Amino acid sequence: GAVVSQHPSRVICKSGTSVKIECRSLDFQATTMFWYRQFPKQSLMLMATSNEGSKATYEQGVEKDKFLINHASLTLSTLTVTSAHPEDSSFYICSATDGPFFGSGTRLTVV
Amino acid sequence: SQKIEQNSEALNIQEGKTATLTCNYTNYSPAYLQWYRQDPGRGPVFLLLIRENEKEKRKERLKVTFDTTLKQSLFHITASQPADSATYLCALGGGGNKLTFGTGTQLKVEL
Repeated sequence: GAVVSQHPSRVICKSGTSVKIECRSLDFQATTMFWYRQFPKQSLMLMATSNEGSKATYEQGVEKDKFLINHASLTLSTLTVTSAHPEDSSFYICSATDGPFFGSGTRLTVV
Repeated sequence: SQKIEQNSEALNIQEGKTATLTCNYTNYSPAYLQWYRQDPGRGPVFLLLIRENEKEKRKERLKVTFDTTLKQSLFHITASQPADSATYLCALGGGGNKLTFGTGTQLKVEL
């Protein structure tokens, strides 16, 4: 099946710094990718839809200036958490179109 | 507003028994419903998809039913094994490949 690679799997950063998370489709081209966030014991919540070559579409309540999404190629989407704060600590997961395939997730801890 | 409910409490069963997990939804008319498995610290892994015009789907030891009148899906694992222990998520899909997830049910299969 299709493979979605997400990197890094874990990251710890200081409050106020920025963190970039990469999501790659390894064996197919993805014109659309999706970014989710999952807090402990909670559901995956869609944050934004990443569209290759155009601006991302953000869900209500998600700050686009804080969560920067870039989808510059058909195989790579990046999510940058800018000026991270402890409340941004969460599990971030990407998925790609062409099927319900998800990355392995990134555990972000902001200290 | 749209709501998806899964058993919030963990389901403990004995090895060899059939596990049945429930997904109920309201204010939603999904075109399809998916079931995922999620292990701790990992992204969801796709298991089965069932469309609105399908009543039942099977894959090896897994069976999913979909009742659009009751607005409910049941997920069965027969001959359960300790390796089946995980959190199982249902997700409803519609236009644009967007998925809305339930909070998941934790299954523990005991020896």
